[in-house]
Parts: sequence; C-alpha cells; structure tokens
Amino acid sequence: NAGVTQTPKFQVLKTGQSMTLQCAQDMNHEYMSWYRQDPGMGLRLIHYSVGAGITDQGEVPNGYNVSRSTTEDFPLRLLSAAPSQTSVYFCASSYRRTGTNSPLHFGNGTRLTVT
Amino acid sequence: LAKTTQPISMDSYEGQEVNITCSHNNIATNDYITWYQQFPSQGPRFIIQGYKTKVTNEVASLFIPADRKSSTLSLPRVSLSDTAVYYCLVGGLRQGGKLIFGQGTELSVKP
Repeated sequence: NAGVTQTPKFQVLKTGQSMTLQCAQDMNHEYMSWYRQDPGMGLRLIHYSVGAGITDQGEVPNGYNVSRSTTEDFPLRLLSAAPSQTSVYFCASSYRRTGTNSPLHFGNGTRLTVT
Repeated sequence: LAKTTQPISMDSYEGQEVNITCSHNNIATNDYITWYQQFPSQGPRFIIQGYKTKVTNEVASLFIPADRKSSTLSLPRVSLSDTAVYYCLVGGLRQGGKLIFGQGTELSVKP
C-alpha cells in the first residue's frame, strides 16, 4: 500500500510558468485536499474534494486550480506561478463515510520554489 | 468552523510528561478532535482522536472535558524523538470538507 503519493518532491519554476502538482492515493478515499505550508507556519487549506467530480475552495484558493476526474487522483495546477507561491505543498486524503470520522492521511509534500 | 488556539511552543526534558492544550470554544456538536504530529520535511501524521471524555492509545492520551471547549494531548515520558510540531484539528468530514488547521505547537524535548 503506497498511501498518498505526491510528485515531484522538488520543483523550481520561473515566475509566470505553469505546472501541475500530482497527488494520488490507493486507499479508495473519497476525500482529498491540498494544503500549503510556509516556513514557521501552519497548514493552510487550498482546495478540497469530497468525491470525484466535486471540488471546493479552501482558505487560500487564489492562483490554484483543481479537478477530480477519478477517485484516486487530485492534481493541483498553478497557471502562472508567482514568488508568493513558494511553499511546501501537502496532499491529504480520508474516508468520508457516514457515522465515522476518519483521520487525514498526508503525502510527504512537494517543495516548490518560484524565482 | 471551529477555530483552534494552541501555545506556539513548549519545552520539555526527556522522561517528562507533556500536556498540550488546545482551545476550541465554538466546537460544533458533531465535531471530532484530532491531533497530528509533524516532523521536519514530512507530512503530518495522525496521533489520536476523540469526541468526549478520555481516549488512550499506545502513544498518547486525549482528555476532553464535558463542555468540549478544549482538549489536552498528553504525551507520557517524552524522548528526543518526540520533538515535533503538534496540531489540533477540530471538525469532521460529515460536516463538509473544510478542515482548517491552527498554528500548531512546536515541542522541543531536551536531553
């Protein structure tokens, strides 16, 4: 069981470039989300999805797009990278079954630098 | 959405018991309280979860008073390897998916 897999682990972009951060989970989790973490700060929610075809905005959605075409994958797109998007990005997933409250499973992060 | 407040940092020594308290005054009826641990360069990982009273597992205990407006994570006999950031998360996916983390508590364990 791989759990939550994020690729790439490291990425350097120039301002204005676009890229997609990949997130895949093999646990058949309905819920997936993206967080960013800046140095010395906590986790801030970017976007989340409660199932295939359903996405919603978190605390800091501007500059990021997401889609959820399958249960397994939840890519995060930066259309025009800015230095303010330099951060570590974490993907998380969980079950979302009635009557339970399953904890989040996190990937190991993608460290993004925008110059 | 329940907002959480934790101490920014705490210091301890090896072998001591550490208690980290999280305040969540506007917790909703269906919200659970979940604690996560994060080491540098890693994603957070689940430690313990509770709804009310006391929960204990092999690594920690979680104390929740009757009014549920706060919770305390208790780490018995900490070691150097417990140095990490600890996050309290209040909410549940049954109420939607907007799970907001607080600032976390940076625990430093000294020899």
